[in-house]
Amino acid sequence: GAVVSQHPSWVICKSGTSVKIECRSLDFQATTMFWYRQFPKQSLMLMATSNEGSKATYEQGVEKDKFLINHASLTLSTLTVTSAHPEDSSFYICSARAGDGNTIYFGEGSWLTVV
Amino acid sequence: QKEVEQDPGPLSVPEGAIVSLNCTYSNSAFQYFMWYRQYSRKGPELLMYTYSSGNKEDGRFTAQVDKSSKYISLFIRDSQPSDSATYLCAPYGNNRLAFGKGNQVVVIP
Repeated sequence: GAVVSQHPSWVICKSGTSVKIECRSLDFQATTMFWYRQFPKQSLMLMATSNEGSKATYEQGVEKDKFLINHASLTLSTLTVTSAHPEDSSFYICSARAGDGNTIYFGEGSWLTVV
Repeated sequence: QKEVEQDPGPLSVPEGAIVSLNCTYSNSAFQYFMWYRQYSRKGPELLMYTYSSGNKEDGRFTAQVDKSSKYISLFIRDSQPSDSATYLCAPYGNNRLAFGKGNQVVVIP
């Protein structure tokens, strides 16, 4: 199947700093990528939909100024958590829609711990 | 009513048994149906992808969709301990992928 790569797989940062997570589609072009966060034993919560070359669409309740999303190319989307706080600690997962338009592949996820 | 309803379990079965998972959805806009497997602390892995009502088989896995009743199933034959994971039902439509809570499955050796 198609491969979606996330980096870093885990990161620890100090409260108040910013952290960037990258999501790359390795063997296909993705005009649309999705960003989720997941708390332990909970389902995935969609944060935003990222479209190449345009602004991301954020879900209700997600602060767009705190979670900056950039989809600069057809294979790369980034999520920057700005001024991170301990409550931002979570598992962040990206997914990318494949060329057929209907199959969605997920990355391995990135664990963020804010101390 | 939630968009996707799944019984989170856990569902424990002995090795070799058939695992039967299901979920229901409420939004008729969903046209494609995916099942993902998620191991602890990992991202979801696409298992099956179906479009039309009916059955689709891939190895030990069979996905079943009934659009008229908005009911989706996944069957795992000859279950193995390595199948122990959370299985996420994910209908998709209008550029939106919805998730249920997931079914936690434990296959006991």
